[in-house]
Amino acid sequence: AAGVIQSPRHLIKEKRETATLKCYPIPRHDTVYWYQQGPGQDPQFLISFYEKMQSDKGSIPDRFSAQQFSDYHSELNMSSLELGDSALYFCASSFGQGGTYEQYFGPGTRLTVT
Amino acid sequence: SQQGEEDPQALSIQEGENATMNCSYKTSINNLQWYRQNSGRGLVHLILIRSNEREKHSGRLRVTLDTSKKSSSLLITASRAADTASYFCATDARNQFYFGTGTSLTVIP
Repeated sequence: AAGVIQSPRHLIKEKRETATLKCYPIPRHDTVYWYQQGPGQDPQFLISFYEKMQSDKGSIPDRFSAQQFSDYHSELNMSSLELGDSALYFCASSFGQGGTYEQYFGPGTRLTVT
Repeated sequence: SQQGEEDPQALSIQEGENATMNCSYKTSINNLQWYRQNSGRGLVHLILIRSNEREKHSGRLRVTLDTSKKSSSLLITASRAADTASYFCATDARNQFYFGTGTSLTVIP
């Protein structure tokens, strides 16, 4: 069965650079969630989209932005990168929003900021 | 503050034994989900339990939910070395998902 696809899987950037992470949800899933997981930490919710509209916002820094496109894929744009942005970034998708529906996670993008 | 807290933080058992992990949360929830994560890898969905459910089974997994105590437990029976991973509970509050701190389970062959 198709799973959530994230690209790239690994990314190395320097401080103050920008990065774009992409997420392709499971076909027919209309909701996308983004999470950040720092080394040894639990995942933190960043932002979610339902039917191409932002549905909720968590602890996403102002330097980050995201959107969901007409084909339901989503992109997380990160600017003015800081060393503390080094983390695993997970995307998850579900059919329907909120906790009623199971979220399926992608493999994650490992971002290293040097 | 974090929505979910898990206990214990680390658990080490022998293969074949049962493992129990607990999760407590702070606000009212619609549902609670348990996830597994192998070291440095993605999160894998294990089971979802709705707020009106008290117990749910999936294979060797058994999840309970006590909304009056705002707590849930995950029981893995007849553990295997391959169950070694971190286990997280996640609760939803107004379309945001909050993960607990996770329990690191080590199953010794």
